[in-house]
Amino acid sequence: QVQLQESGPGLVRPSETLSLTCSVSGGSINGYYWSWIRQPPGKGLEWIGFMYYTGSTNYNPSLRSRPTISPDISKNHFSLRLTSVTAADTAFYYCTRYSTALHTFDYWGQGILVTVSS
Amino acid sequence: NFVLTQPHSVSESPGKTVTISCTRSTGSIGSNHVQWFQQRPGSSPTTVIHEFYQRPSGVPDRFSGSIDSSSNSASLTISGLKTEDEADYYCQSYDSNNHVIFGGGTKLTVL
Repeated sequence: QVQLQESGPGLVRPSETLSLTCSVSGGSINGYYWSWIRQPPGKGLEWIGFMYYTGSTNYNPSLRSRPTISPDISKNHFSLRLTSVTAADTAFYYCTRYSTALHTFDYWGQGILVTVSS
Repeated sequence: NFVLTQPHSVSESPGKTVTISCTRSTGSIGSNHVQWFQQRPGSSPTTVIHEFYQRPSGVPDRFSGSIDSSSNSASLTISGLKTEDEADYYCQSYDSNNHVIFGGGTKLTVL
């Protein structure tokens, strides 16, 4: 059973960079697409971007080049960096696996709350 | 880009049937796969329908998906409602650049 676990700081200061890691167990990141999705408290879901295990990426254009998603094959994890954060970036951040066979996000982490505040 | 519009909330009694709509603003609803996610309070979302009407293993057949070209919308129908179905439901599709688009979510109350 594939399991995903997000980790990183729960508090980030405005204008700084948010950095999160998603550790994958029970399976390899090889051969799959991986994604980050966020959800402000009490609000809806917002897709941040996709990453293929080779490192190719596709991002939500509304986030204006701020996110970077990258793999670390040796550690079987992948990461999210989001630059120049503001209070609007306060959210639960979920890492997910995307199944091209099912065309859906088939595995999700439990989510991590990141608050942007000074 | 297009928007997926869902009702903010729906409510129905246990044992009844409820349908949640997801209307695409521009472009054909059938041109890109539609998925439906269930998110119970305090939990991560899970897929209940993928590729318009496919059910993942483990999802009961009380959940069904469909699309209607005339209204340019997708629908999630839950029959034989149970209290455990009370959750937020999100539809999701893609644009022509494979960007993921979510609907705003619908809160289902089973009362």
